[in-house]
Amino acid sequence: GAGVSQSPSNKVTEKGKDVELRCDPISGHTALYWYRQSLGQGLEFLIYFQGNSAPDKSGLPSDRFSAERTGGSVSTLTIQRTQQEDSAVYLCASSRGGTDTQYFGPGTRLTVL
Amino acid sequence: AQSVTQLDSQVPVFEEAPVELRCNYSSSVSVYLFWYVQYPNQGLQLLLKYLSGSTLVESINGFEAEFNKSQTSFHLRKPSVHISDTAEYFCAVSTGFQKLVFGTGTRLLVSP
Repeated sequence: GAGVSQSPSNKVTEKGKDVELRCDPISGHTALYWYRQSLGQGLEFLIYFQGNSAPDKSGLPSDRFSAERTGGSVSTLTIQRTQQEDSAVYLCASSRGGTDTQYFGPGTRLTVL
Repeated sequence: AQSVTQLDSQVPVFEEAPVELRCNYSSSVSVYLFWYVQYPNQGLQLLLKYLSGSTLVESINGFEAEFNKSQTSFHLRKPSVHISDTAEYFCAVSTGFQKLVFGTGTRLLVSP
């Protein structure tokens, strides 16, 4: 079976534009996570989905960030009015839930000019 | 809240030498502990994890880590490293089966 996939792999955008990042989890995984990896902040948790619900969105840095998950599968992370400090690698992970291993995708590298 | 400290940002070592990558955590509740590895230009992969039971856990490629509750540590060790072990290693902690809290990572540099 395929692993977690993310698209696009790279995204360059201008400051102030909106971007959408997509995550396709491993089939059957009910839990989905978004993290961000940046030079200054390391690996940070953003949001966690169980099914289509997000019981923990405590890591979203501002109201410019939002995420949704549909059909218990694909998730989209949206960043509105991008800023240069949003430049980072955005990682998605999925698991069967509980203490099951989180499997990470290859990430989307976002560069805001 | 939980936190993870990886004091060593970079560890240089010669091939076939032993290595220890240090990880300490802080939490007021019971934790689950993980080591993830990120090879150059690749994604994060789970190396090993401690959930319960034996405090010594091993990976398939010769790494091991020991959960020490009294010292709140989960150091990663390998008795003899290979060039191919060059990577960044992240220690992480979880409590409620949800988010992982990561340390800042340790870059292991293995030279011949």
